[in-house]
Amino acid sequence: AQKVTQAQTEISVVEKEDVTLDCVYETRDTTYYLFWYKQPPSGELVFLIRRNSFDEQNEISGRYSWNFQKSTSSFNFTITASQVVDSAVYFCALSEDTSYDKVIFGPGTSLSVIP
Amino acid sequence: SQTIHQWPATLVQPVGSPLSLECTVEGTSNPNLYWYRQAAGRGLQLLFYSVGIGQISSEVPQNLSASRPQDRQFILSSKKLLLSDSGFYLCAWNLRGFVNEQFFGPGTRLTVL
Repeated sequence: AQKVTQAQTEISVVEKEDVTLDCVYETRDTTYYLFWYKQPPSGELVFLIRRNSFDEQNEISGRYSWNFQKSTSSFNFTITASQVVDSAVYFCALSEDTSYDKVIFGPGTSLSVIP
Repeated sequence: SQTIHQWPATLVQPVGSPLSLECTVEGTSNPNLYWYRQAAGRGLQLLFYSVGIGQISSEVPQNLSASRPQDRQFILSSKKLLLSDSGFYLCAWNLRGFVNEQFFGPGTRLTVL
């Protein structure tokens, strides 16, 4: 069965600090896809990144970076030099190749960046 | 470019009243469509998804139903609302046929009193 765990329910950091959001997943498929979404206070989910199981290369996009490690079934998200606008709920999600129509979301991590 | 619309943005309804939430997608054809519910402070719960007109898959048994009368229209309904139906309802779409990211609408905040 597929499952996504985000053990950190809430995180608070002071502006300009780095912060890492953890994501651990479970799947029996060898082909799967991982996602991160951001939900700002307005409520609409914003897609951030997709990674497939065959691509373990880490990715950096501006202040955002993602560390995918199949050995530990983790797909962690780091924000460098956090800003107040980064305050949001962040969701990690998983989709298996055998059930590609459905995405399983983790419970989310609420990040508060304090000025 | 593709856009997804949901309305109404907010809704306050009494217990026992009917419900109809609408979602439409522009700029794409044959999308997969999804309805999610997010209770206050909680994660996303998949309610229904559709891979085509008239094709609805239900994930959670409840007093809600969904319909897809047109390719880019997805409707969430209830005949009689319960207090537990309160929440934030999100519609999403993605391309059919392979795994890819979902794109979400602005959501409808429903309060049942």
